[in-house]
Amino acid sequence: AQSVTQPDARVTVSEGASLQLRCKYSYFGTPYLFWYVQYPRQGLQLLLKYYPGDPVVQGVNGFEAEFSKSNSSFHLRKASVHWSDWAVYFCAVTSTGGYKVVFGSGTRLLVSP
Amino acid sequence: AQTIHQWPVAEIKAVGSPLSLGCTIKGKSSPNLYWYWQATGGTLQQLFYSITVGQVESVVQLNLSASRPKDDQFILSTEKLLLSHSGFYLCAWSPGEGSNERLFFGHGTKLSVL
Repeated sequence: AQSVTQPDARVTVSEGASLQLRCKYSYFGTPYLFWYVQYPRQGLQLLLKYYPGDPVVQGVNGFEAEFSKSNSSFHLRKASVHWSDWAVYFCAVTSTGGYKVVFGSGTRLLVSP
Repeated sequence: AQTIHQWPVAEIKAVGSPLSLGCTIKGKSSPNLYWYWQATGGTLQQLFYSITVGQVESVVQLNLSASRPKDDQFILSTEKLLLSHSGFYLCAWSPGEGSNERLFFGHGTKLSVL
């Protein structure tokens, strides 16, 4: 079965520092991977998506992610965190042939001044 | 431009009472539609999806049901609420040209069952 693991429930980063949020996945078939962000009491917004091709994907607001088939990972990175990045980040996976999108448990990002 | 509207924004309901939550998508014909449930501080659990009017597939059994009476409308309901139904309900759509597309989410409905 498809699954997504986000091992870090909470990450604290100083404003201006770099960030990496971890995501490990398992799937059948070809994986399509996504990172979404959720601000308080809101729905999710897409940060970036990976479709088979270039393993490094650029997203909005300076976010990028790197797909690794050998490590079954899709980690999210940002070079310099801003206070407005304070939110919950979800990694998700789906594959062709079905309509089930599986989300990880989320990582809450806290930004310290 | 496409828009997604969920209603109500929030509900406080008694255990055993009925529930109906709605979602409307405008500006996109034949979207794929999805319902997700999110426990407080938790991950998203997919409940249902629909790829066409009148056809709904269940992903997990939580004593909830869903219907798609119109192309642009998705309804989540139950006749008897449980305490465990509390949480945040999110409706989402995707363009409908495959199963590997990004989701567009509504702002959600916060449900408190007392």
